[in-house]
Amino acid sequence: AQSVTQLGSHVSVSEGALVLLRCNYSSSVPPYLFWYVQYPNQGLQLLLKYTTGATLVKGINGFEAEFKKSETSFHLTKPSAHMSDAAEYFCAVTLKIYNQGGKLIFGQGTELSVKP
Amino acid sequence: SQTIHQWPATLVQPVGSPLSLECTVEGTSNPNLYWYRQAAGRGLQLLFYSVGIGQISSEVPQNLSASRPQDRQFILSSKKLLLSDSGFYLCAWSVRHRGANTEAFFGQGTRLTVV
Repeated sequence: AQSVTQLGSHVSVSEGALVLLRCNYSSSVPPYLFWYVQYPNQGLQLLLKYTTGATLVKGINGFEAEFKKSETSFHLTKPSAHMSDAAEYFCAVTLKIYNQGGKLIFGQGTELSVKP
Repeated sequence: SQTIHQWPATLVQPVGSPLSLECTVEGTSNPNLYWYRQAAGRGLQLLFYSVGIGQISSEVPQNLSASRPQDRQFILSSKKLLLSDSGFYLCAWSVRHRGANTEAFFGQGTRLTVV
């Protein structure tokens, strides 16, 4: 079965510093990978996704992530943190199981704090 | 464009009372539908998912049930709420691309407090 592990439930950075949120997955077949952001009392918004092709994917708000198959990782980065980036971030995986419903499995989330 | 509606936004219910949360999707057909629960300080727990009308898969044994009476309608129910049912409930949908799932799109959630 597939699973997702996010390293660090809380990450704190200073405004302007690099943001690095870690995600590792386990999957028996090639996965689709996603990062979502959640602001308080709201639903989840898709930041970026990896399906096939280029392993470095760019998303909204200046975020990007790199799929590394050898490391089974999909870490999220942003070169310079902004106060508005403070939120909870979720990594998710789904399997490329053709002709089946499949399901999205989420990590436990990482709360990002940005200090002025 | 596709939209997802989830209501109510907040709900306070006494222990032992019934529950019905509704979710509808517009602008797409035959979506996969999901109910997730997010307890305070925890991640998202998949409760139910559905690949078609009347087809419901339950991920965890619990006090809740789900139904899909129409293609784009997904309902989460309980006959008798427990205190442990409190949480933030999220409905989501996704489509299959070449037979595999793509990303999920989420509603705004329902904050349920059981008192």
